[in-house]
Amino acid sequence: DVVMTQSPLSLPVTLGQPASISCRSSQSLVYSDGNTHLSWFQQRPGQSPRRLIYKVSNRDSGVPDRFSGSGSGTDFTLRISRVEAEDVGVYYCMQATHWPWTFGQGTKVEIK
Amino acid sequence: QVQLQQSGPGLVKPSQTLSLTCAISGDSVSSNIVAWNWIRQSPSRGLEWLGRTYYRSKWYNDYAIFVKSRITINPDTSKNQFSLQLNSVTPEDTAVYYCVRGVDSSLDYWGQGTLVTVSS
Repeated sequence: DVVMTQSPLSLPVTLGQPASISCRSSQSLVYSDGNTHLSWFQQRPGQSPRRLIYKVSNRDSGVPDRFSGSGSGTDFTLRISRVEAEDVGVYYCMQATHWPWTFGQGTKVEIK
Repeated sequence: QVQLQQSGPGLVKPSQTLSLTCAISGDSVSSNIVAWNWIRQSPSRGLEWLGRTYYRSKWYNDYAIFVKSRITINPDTSKNQFSLQLNSVTPEDTAVYYCVRGVDSSLDYWGQGTLVTVSS
């Protein structure tokens, strides 16, 4: 199985400051059709995961533009340009290029 | 707007069968462009994809290897829902279970989650 490794696992941030989460895969996530199936999810306390980003950098409808995704191959990043209180939660990356689909272990974002 | 509503017991005895149902609104279980997945989450193992069912002129299933001998996912076209059955459960199957819509190699809409505890 493809192993997804996130860092850091815990990320204390100051309100209004940027935050960055790394996700690395054990194999390239470029599919045979040229697409890279890497998604990011946010899980607020007590809620189900919510997708923020798909195919590396495509933001879902309703997701604030302070969230952005980037990367290629095996190295990906989720950035929050200015953290707000509602951004507290755990963030996961997921690959859907190789079977079975696998998730990172999660990065907990909290306010300092 | 797609909504997924889960139902099923929160407590299952060891060696018995875990059964959950996911009712779909705003989409069709028979859509030929989506897949219907079950995913679980536990503190020890994180998020794990369990399996899916989807329709492409006929019905298909894919299952994770680690549960393949114990899992069944079935569509119910008459009720526009799909179900999960996991046999011979142990305490290691204790987790929050989610039904999730899959589209274009990603997961977009999630159910509310069901905490299933395996205990006598």
